[in-house]
Amino acid sequence: AQTVTQSQPEMSVQEAETVTLSCTYDTSENNYYLFWYKQPPSRQMILVIRQEAYKQQNATENRFSVNFQKAAKSFSLKISDSQLGDTAMYFCAFMKSGTYKYIFGTGTRLKVLA
Amino acid sequence: NAGVTQTPKFRILKIGQSMTLQCAQDMNHNYMYWYRQDPGMGLKLIYYSVGAGITDKGEVPNGYNVSRSTTEDFPLRLELAAPSQTSVYFCASKAPISTDTQYFGPGTRLTVL
Repeated sequence: AQTVTQSQPEMSVQEAETVTLSCTYDTSENNYYLFWYKQPPSRQMILVIRQEAYKQQNATENRFSVNFQKAAKSFSLKISDSQLGDTAMYFCAFMKSGTYKYIFGTGTRLKVLA
Repeated sequence: NAGVTQTPKFRILKIGQSMTLQCAQDMNHNYMYWYRQDPGMGLKLIYYSVGAGITDKGEVPNGYNVSRSTTEDFPLRLELAAPSQTSVYFCASKAPISTDTQYFGPGTRLTVL
C-alpha cells in the first residue's frame, strides 16, 4: 500500500524568503502523480502544483516549484518570495496512474511572518 | 461554473441523530469523493464513486452511507451519529482523465455532542 509522509508538522518563514516543505512517499508503482494542495484558514483545498512521475522535469507554477527525486521517492515543495497569503496547511498527495484514489499526507502548517 | 458545492457549512448533531451532507458538482465529473479531516490531520477517504450508480468504500466507511443516483450529486448519510464523527467533511470531484486533479468543495464542519 502507498503511504505519504510529511515529517514537518509546522514551519515558519519570513516574508520574501524561501521555504521548502518535505514530502516522501512509498510505492512500488512506476507511474503515478504527485500533488501539493494548500488549505488556508478558509479550509478550501486548493491545488498548488502537480507532477507526473514519468516527467523528469520538475514542475513549476510561478513562485512554487518542486524537487522531484523519483529514486529517493521524495517530492518537496519550494516556495520563493514567501507572501503572507501563503500562510496555510500544505498537503502532499499521491495518486497511482490509472486509478482515482488519492493518498494524503498529514500536512505541514506554514506560517509566513511579517 | 459553481464547481463543487456542499451544504450545510456547519451542523451540530446530538448523539444518535442522523443527517445527510449534500454535495453537488456542475463539471460533469464522473469521479466523486467524500473525505473527513480530523483536527491537525490529513484527509481520510470515506467513500468514492466512479459514476452514477457505482460507489465503493474508502479507508474509513463505518458509520456512513452514500448513494449516487445522478452524475451531479453525491450525498453522504450519517446514521446514528457518534462523537467520533466530529470532523470536517470535504466532497471532491474529478474528471476521468488521469492527469486531472480533484476539485474540492468548501467543507462541512460537523460536531456531534
